[in-house]
Amino acid sequence: AQKVTQAQTEISVVEKEDVTLDCVYETRDTTYYLFWYKQPPSGELVFLIRRNSFDEQNEISGRYSWNFQKSTSSFNFTITASQVVDSAVYFCALSEEFSGTYKYIFGTGTRLKVLA
Amino acid sequence: DAGVIQSPRHEVTEMGQEVTLRCKPISGHNSLFWYRQTMMRGLELLIYFNNNVPIDDSGMPEDRFSAKMPNASFSTLKIQPSEPRDSAVYFCASSWAARGEETQYFGPGTRLLVL
Repeated sequence: AQKVTQAQTEISVVEKEDVTLDCVYETRDTTYYLFWYKQPPSGELVFLIRRNSFDEQNEISGRYSWNFQKSTSSFNFTITASQVVDSAVYFCALSEEFSGTYKYIFGTGTRLKVLA
Repeated sequence: DAGVIQSPRHEVTEMGQEVTLRCKPISGHNSLFWYRQTMMRGLELLIYFNNNVPIDDSGMPEDRFSAKMPNASFSTLKIQPSEPRDSAVYFCASSWAARGEETQYFGPGTRLLVL
């Protein structure tokens, strides 16, 4: 069965520290997509990134970077020089095909607290 | 472009009352998802539709919950009768059901409190 594990329930860092959020997945599919979402204190779920299983290149977007490694079934998310505005719950997800559409398997989320 | 629209944003009701949550997906999307989020159970997928047809409602907690999608631009989630344990944030999300395009975009959520 498909599964996504975010073992870190909560992480606290001081502003300007780097922080890595872990995501480990299980799937039997050879083609799959992975996602990260951010849920700030205001509550909305914001899409951050989508990654397909054929592209293992690391991605960088400003202070955010993602490391995808098929060998370890991991899709980790690093925030460099963290800021208070990065405080949020971050969810990792894996898409699964079912009856012509795609549903997500979500991890349980990691709550990140960035302290000033 | 308008994102996923949900209404109401907040709902306070008394136990036993009927509650109807509404969702308008992003125009052109053909898959729609209803989620519930609570502190205890996290983010749960309740039901999802593809081309207006319910695909999997195994996440619907019980018969008090029902969902419809009468057309491509509107869906409702109804709870009748509501109970205090239904208090949660309910999210609607939509996507285009094509491999590589299946990113789900979420609405702002409806915060439901059942007294």
